[in-house]
Amino acid sequence: GENVEQHPSTLSVQEGDSAVIKCTYSDSASNYFPWYKQELGKRPQLIIDIRSNVGEKKDQRIAVTLNKTAKHFSLHITETQPEDSAVYFCAASMEFSGGYNKLIFGAGTRLAVHP
Amino acid sequence: DAGITQSPRHKVTETGTPVTLRCHQTENHRYMYWYRQDPGHGLRLIHYSYGVKDTDKGEVSDGYSVSRSKTEDFLLTLESATSSQTSVYFCAISESRGVTDTQYFGPGTRLTVL
Repeated sequence: GENVEQHPSTLSVQEGDSAVIKCTYSDSASNYFPWYKQELGKRPQLIIDIRSNVGEKKDQRIAVTLNKTAKHFSLHITETQPEDSAVYFCAASMEFSGGYNKLIFGAGTRLAVHP
Repeated sequence: DAGITQSPRHKVTETGTPVTLRCHQTENHRYMYWYRQDPGHGLRLIHYSYGVKDTDKGEVSDGYSVSRSKTEDFLLTLESATSSQTSVYFCAISESRGVTDTQYFGPGTRLTVL
């Protein structure tokens, strides 16, 4: 069925290092790929997204890349800081019954940035 | 925070009792969603609404019903709560159903069914 796989499930880095989280999706018709950050006890918050007509998008220390042929997309965080510590979720938009889009989420990656 | 509130924020209830969770939005968004979040599963869609009195099932809808009688309110009901419905429930809104289907989440409701 439709699914999004996310790896790794946990990631530990030193402050200043880079972090990369990868996701693969199953539906080749997916056309929208958001990334959410969730701090402990808080709501998921959108940090960056990419659409299928774009291969890469950057926003300061965060970037997302998309490879439609391989059906995978990745989140890159450079110069990590302790406040980047959180759970990150990827998602892929898929068409639902009635023509509406729905988001399928990955299981999440817990990122820990150590000072 | 996209003007989304959820109530209650925490609830403990017993197996077999009915429970209703409320999502309220102030910005007149057409599309609203209910998700549940469990460890190892990310967020899974329970039900969604594409307008007043227009709702449909998501991927984990068994045991849940919804209603939307006003644009601003989307209610999630557990008719007879079970321990497997212990979870954190998030409401979300979006402005469109198309390619730019960015969703914004409410603060969540932590439900414990004993």
